[in-house]
Parts: sequence; structure tokens; C-alpha cells
Amino acid sequence: GQQVMQIPQYQHVQEGEDFTTYCNSSTTLSNIQWYKQRPGGHPVFLIQLVKSGEVKKQKRLTFQFGEAKKNSSLHITATQTTDVGTYFCAAGTYKYIFGTGTRLKVLA
Amino acid sequence: GAVVSQHPSRVICKSGTSVKIECRSLDFQATTMFWYRQFPKKSLMLMATSNEGSKATYEQGVEKDKFLINHASLTLSTLTVTSAHPEDSSFYICSASPNFNGEAFFGQGTRLTVV
Repeated sequence: GQQVMQIPQYQHVQEGEDFTTYCNSSTTLSNIQWYKQRPGGHPVFLIQLVKSGEVKKQKRLTFQFGEAKKNSSLHITATQTTDVGTYFCAAGTYKYIFGTGTRLKVLA
Repeated sequence: GAVVSQHPSRVICKSGTSVKIECRSLDFQATTMFWYRQFPKKSLMLMATSNEGSKATYEQGVEKDKFLINHASLTLSTLTVTSAHPEDSSFYICSASPNFNGEAFFGQGTRLTVV
């Protein structure tokens, strides 16, 4: 079945440093979604990317969809302690498979 | 955004008993809801797709007789963990989307502990 891998698995950064997580699929994706899950919480939708090579920005977050639509990335500029959590990509059509996730810790 | 409510948030039960978890879409109708299971510090594993008015579709390796899903109305899906064992202890979470192939809204999750 479809597999969605994310790297790194964990990342610790100093507050103010940048952070990037990468999402890779074994198959071509129709679209990709990104979610954030705070410790003890539930996933919250961040964004959906549909077009090949698409780049979307939300304040300090930049999302990119690869040209081949097999990979995606989420980049956070100048991390803050509020960015702590696990970031998941999710791929599929109608039924979404979640990536392995990247757990971000931000040290003040 | 849309709201999905899940109940209970926490439950402790004895081995051999059954536990029912409810997932409600509060402000939209959901013909489809999804049930996930999440182990500590792990990803969400899709268990099944709950279809209103018809049988649920289970992912490979998920026992349908163990995890009973009922989607009796357009706003309610239930997951019943039958004859629970300690290995069923986990975080169960549902999601639904008001739009096909769109943003998914998650319930708050249910932490099940089987003792």
C-alpha cells in the first residue's frame, strides 16, 4: 500500500532557528495535506497543496509540493516555542494516509 | 472551521468488556468519517472508513469483529472496541470532512486504557 515517510523523525532547535521537515511518497500524489499535533492534542489542518511545484506561505511557514508530486516540505522560519508539536503530512484522495511525522522541540 | 466532537475523552475499562466511542460532526453532515489509532509518539494509523448507511471499510490488518463501527446518521459514527484487552490500549481519534477531498477536522480523541 501507499507509504508516506517523513524525515527527520525528531528535531530539536534553538528558538529563532529555522526548521524543515520533508515528506516523501512512493507513489505520485494527487494532493498533500499538512497537519500539526500539539502534545496531548489532536491534529489540526494547516494547508493542502494540489499543483505540481506549488508553494504556499502562512506567516513563518512555507509549504512546497514537489514537481513530480511525490514529495513535499514544510519550512518554519525563526521558530518560536509555540511551534512545538508533531508535524504530519497526509496523502491520498478521499482517504488520507498520514506520514510518520516529525516531532519538533524548540528550546528557549 | 467545522467541529467534530468525540466522546469520551478518556476511558478505563476492564479486560473483556466493551467500550463505545462516539464521533459527532456538530455543524455539518458527514457521509464519511474516519477512525484512526495512535500509539504514543507515533503516527496516526487509519483503521477504517465509516460510511453512513452502509458497512465500514476496514484497512488491512484491522479486525472488523474487534472494532465495530456503526454510522447510523449523517452526524454520528461510533467505534466499539469489543472484548477489550490491554493491547487495545491506545489513543483513538476520528475525523470527518464537510467537503470531499478537503480539510479534515478531528475529534479530540479518546484515550483508552484496558486494565
